[in-house]
Amino acid sequence: AQSVTQPDIHITVSEGASLELRCNYSYGATPYLFWYVQSPGQGLQLLLKYFSGDTLVQGIKGFEAEFKRSQSSFNLRKPSVHWSDAAEYFCAVGANQAGTALIFGKGTTLSVSS
Amino acid sequence: GAVVSQHPSRVICKSGTSVKIECRSLDFQATTMFWYRQFPKQSLMLMATSNEGSKATYEQGVEKDKFLINHASLTLSTLTVTSAHPEDSSFYICSAKSGLASYEQYFGPGTRLTVT
Repeated sequence: AQSVTQPDIHITVSEGASLELRCNYSYGATPYLFWYVQSPGQGLQLLLKYFSGDTLVQGIKGFEAEFKRSQSSFNLRKPSVHWSDAAEYFCAVGANQAGTALIFGKGTTLSVSS
Repeated sequence: GAVVSQHPSRVICKSGTSVKIECRSLDFQATTMFWYRQFPKQSLMLMATSNEGSKATYEQGVEKDKFLINHASLTLSTLTVTSAHPEDSSFYICSAKSGLASYEQYFGPGTRLTVT
């Protein structure tokens, strides 16, 4: 079955500390991987995506993610977290097919302490 | 980049009435549009997939007679919640794919529906 697992429901990090949000996927076809961020009451903002090529991808707001095929993982990282990064983060997987929707993980809530 | 709009952004309706939500691709032709539903503090759940000019495909457990989806053109899909009840209150998000780049999916800003 196709699925996305985000093992951490809620993470709290100190401002300025590093961050890693975990994402594992199970997908039959070649996966296209995405990370989105959502602030309360807002829509989704795309942070970064991986289709092919270099397995370390850079995104907006200083985020990066690394695709590890052997571990079926696509973890999101940021070296120094800012208070404004507090939000809900969703990992998603899709395919290069017209009628295929993205499958989302359950999300990780990030809190930033001062 | 590709832009998807939704209208309205917020709507409050009385129980038993119907409400229509529009999803538009502003600068590309969307061969496929998707409708998701998000309950508070939960993830996005796919409700249905619609292709222009054909009937929508609904996910298991989604009532097609309650959530009417129309994809009449390559830039517009509508979701009508019929005979709305308080349990239909949710955040509805649409997304769209262009046939030219099927790996890209562009999301609308969402519509907050509150049924009183």
